[in-house]
Amino acid sequence: GNSVTQMEGPVTLSEEAFLTINCTYTATGYPSLFWYVQYPGEGLQLLLKATKADDKGSNKGFEATYRKETTSFHLEKGSVQVSDSAVYFCALGANNDYKLSFGAGTTVTVRA
Amino acid sequence: NAGVTQTPKFQVLKTGQSMTLQCAQDMNHNSMYWYRQDPGMGLRLIYYSASEGTTDKGEVPNGYNVSRLNKREFSLRLESAAPSQTSVYFCASSPKGSYNEQFFGPGTRLTVL
Repeated sequence: GNSVTQMEGPVTLSEEAFLTINCTYTATGYPSLFWYVQYPGEGLQLLLKATKADDKGSNKGFEATYRKETTSFHLEKGSVQVSDSAVYFCALGANNDYKLSFGAGTTVTVRA
Repeated sequence: NAGVTQTPKFQVLKTGQSMTLQCAQDMNHNSMYWYRQDPGMGLRLIYYSASEGTTDKGEVPNGYNVSRLNKREFSLRLESAAPSQTSVYFCASSPKGSYNEQFFGPGTRLTVL
């Protein structure tokens, strides 16, 4: 079946540092890939997405590229801010299925 | 637009008690979902409703029932709560044609003693 594995946290960074969160997936066919973010005390929000191989999703300075050859969708940001402190979830959606498969989540804390 | 709203925000139950979690969306979305979030396990799908009038089991449906009351509302019922159902519950919705782009509510934190 479909599954997502993402880098375990927690991750603690200083402001303006570079952030990478690794995500790899297992799926049949050609899934869509997502990164969701959960700020403290809130529900999840869609951060970015990619629907086919080599697509790059981007939003709020975050980027992730759909790499079919390595079955990966790593999240990156070049210069993090304290406001980026949150839990980040990688997710996979099959094109013929309503279900999203989520990774376990990575907690990121950015210190001033 | 309020988006996806959930009530209550917090609830404490005793083992064996029942309760219903309410969810509503005002985005005219076709599909709605119930997830539970447990530490280190990400989100797991309990039930979903692809469209008004249909419901289907997700990954962890045991101990739960759902009702798609109308296009806006999708409720989750625990008939006889167990400590293993202590979790944070999220409702989500998605528009027709983009069912993987899901919009989440703020969650209900449920504790079963």
